Amino acid sequence: GQNIDQPTEMTATEGAIVQINCTYQTSGFNGLFWYQQHAGEAPTFLSYNVLDGLEEKGRFSSFLSRSKGYSYLLLKELQMKDSASYLCAVRRTGANNLFFGTGTRLTVIP
Amino acid sequence: EAGVVQSPRYKIIEKKQPVAFWCNPISGHNTLYWYRQNLGQGPELLIRYENEEAVDDSQLPKDRFSAERLKGVDSTLKIQPAELGDSAVYLCASRQRDTDYNEQFFGPGTRLTVL
Repeated sequence: GQNIDQPTEMTATEGAIVQINCTYQTSGFNGLFWYQQHAGEAPTFLSYNVLDGLEEKGRFSSFLSRSKGYSYLLLKELQMKDSASYLCAVRRTGANNLFFGTGTRLTVIP
Repeated sequence: EAGVVQSPRYKIIEKKQPVAFWCNPISGHNTLYWYRQNLGQGPELLIRYENEEAVDDSQLPKDRFSAERLKGVDSTLKIQPAELGDSAVYLCASRQRDTDYNEQFFGPGTRLTVL
């Protein structure tokens, strides 16, 4: 099986930086995804890591350490529209299914 | 390009009634997924199709849930009879093989309330 943990809720201030952590335990790791989901809407793809290191995409960056079973999503220059749930999901070798964490609900305050 | 389309967006039924959800994936996407998302949780896979073949339905409660993907395009998910615990958002997602990330694209979901 797989176990994916991420904080339930976080609050951060507009313009600041926030880091959302995700730890996982799985056999046959084959990539980690981050999705953003606004309330009542579909999850949308943010980032993908399969090798160790940092992937940067504008204001969003994602980091992976396979040996530690650890990833984080870094959001810079926070905007009010970044208030959403952020889902960490792991893919296993041999399957194209994603196993999601419970999501981290981020609230950006003025 | 149109995204994943789902209907209806909302459905309220009484327990023991049947219900069906429809999904139209992104054109050209071979793989189609149905997920269930409970409040405050991440999506959980119910079934995955590769074209018209259900290749992973291990998490589908087969006593009351069924799905089909005729002609390998649109898909329907059915619950009969519905129970109170089936209240959730049912998400459809699709994926095109052999892209850079093989990411899944999600539809807006159907929010089911069973009374």
